Amino acid sequence: GDSVTQMEGPVTLSEEAFLTINCTYTATGYPSLFWYVQYPGEGLQLLLKATKADDKGSNKGFEATYRKETTSFHLEKGSVQVSDSAVYFCALSDSKNYGGSQGNLIFGKGTKLSVKP
Amino acid sequence: EPEVTQTPSHQVTQMGQEVILRCVPISNHLYFYWYRQILGQKVEFLVSFYNNEISEKSEIFDDQFSVERPDGSNFTLKIRSTKLEDSAMYFCANKKGGGLGNEQFFGPGTRLTVL
Repeated sequence: GDSVTQMEGPVTLSEEAFLTINCTYTATGYPSLFWYVQYPGEGLQLLLKATKADDKGSNKGFEATYRKETTSFHLEKGSVQVSDSAVYFCALSDSKNYGGSQGNLIFGKGTKLSVKP
Repeated sequence: EPEVTQTPSHQVTQMGQEVILRCVPISNHLYFYWYRQILGQKVEFLVSFYNNEISEKSEIFDDQFSVERPDGSNFTLKIRSTKLEDSAMYFCANKKGGGLGNEQFFGPGTRLTVL
């Protein structure tokens, strides 16, 4: 079945460092890809998404490109801030129910990012 | 900005007891989901619900689990006889329309501890 493999954490960076969190997926259909972020004590929030190959999702300085040839959706940010400290989840929407348009999400394990001042 | 709310934030129960986790979705969002996350593990899909019936359920969602919208607004997850391994964070999510690319909005979660 569909699956998401995400870089294990935790990741600790200094402020203004470059961030990459790797994410690869396995899917039989044409999924949409997402990055969700979970700040301490809060629920998951959509950070960015891409719905087809070569699309680039971007938000708050983060970006990720849907690469069908490498089945990847790596998250990047050029200069992280302390406020970016959170857990980041890569996810895909399950395409096997596309006829029913349910789009159940399949998540990676999450990567905890800590940014030090 | 509208948001999904969940109650309680933390539920402690004895093994074998029934629990009901509640979610108030965003108004006019028609697709509903429950996910869970066991500590240190990935977020896992449990069930999706649309038009007052289950659309899909995972292997985790066995006969001990049920969902309903009792009053047309709240969306509940019931575990009939809890087991130790049901201890997890349970997230409710919903989205406005169908389609794979539509955003799911998540609640803050209910932490269930089964003793």
